[in-house]
Amino acid sequence: AQTVTQSQPEMSVQEAETVTLSCTYDTSESDYYLFWYKQPPSRQMILVIRQEAYKQQNATENRFSVNFQKAAKSFSLKISDSQLGDAAMYFCPSYSTLTFGKGTMLLVSP
Amino acid sequence: DGGITQSPKYLFRKEGQNVTLSCEQNLNHDAMYWYRQDPGQGLRLIYYSQIVNDFQKGDIAEGYSVSREKKESFPLTVTSAQKNPTAFYLCASIPLRDTAYEQYFGPGTRLTVT
Repeated sequence: AQTVTQSQPEMSVQEAETVTLSCTYDTSESDYYLFWYKQPPSRQMILVIRQEAYKQQNATENRFSVNFQKAAKSFSLKISDSQLGDAAMYFCPSYSTLTFGKGTMLLVSP
Repeated sequence: DGGITQSPKYLFRKEGQNVTLSCEQNLNHDAMYWYRQDPGQGLRLIYYSQIVNDFQKGDIAEGYSVSREKKESFPLTVTSAQKNPTAFYLCASIPLRDTAYEQYFGPGTRLTVT
């Protein structure tokens, strides 16, 4: 089974700045996927980005990118040019157990 | 448009009453999931189903029941045995043909029991 850890309960960033959210995981599987989801105040869960472990290239979706370090089992999310609409809870769930930890609350200030 | 619907958005019940939360999807997804979310917490898995007429307990199944009579529908019943049922409930689905297991979520139902 895969376990994940988000060590930052809360992060703050100013508009237009860059912020990185951390996620570390542990797995014995050789191929797997990793995801970042956001949950804004509306509480709708939205997929932000996904990464397949066998792909060495880091995934990118517009202002969102990941820093995937397979050997270190690290999967951080970088948000560039932060916007007020990025304020949300961010979750990095376990691929195999589909469990979501407490997440990281991102606050964005003008 | 394809998606997952949960109704109603807000639900109020008196203590001691059973209540059923609806989850419907028209994405032709195989697997469906129910999660519970409490304030400031992550999501905890209640039940999941990968095929019609079969389902498995998640981490916090006590006080809940489900059925999967149709591929499109996975209703959750919160019984009077659930000690603290007030919470936000999210339904999700996965197309098992997608090995990524990317979950698609409904908008959620906020249940308040007084």
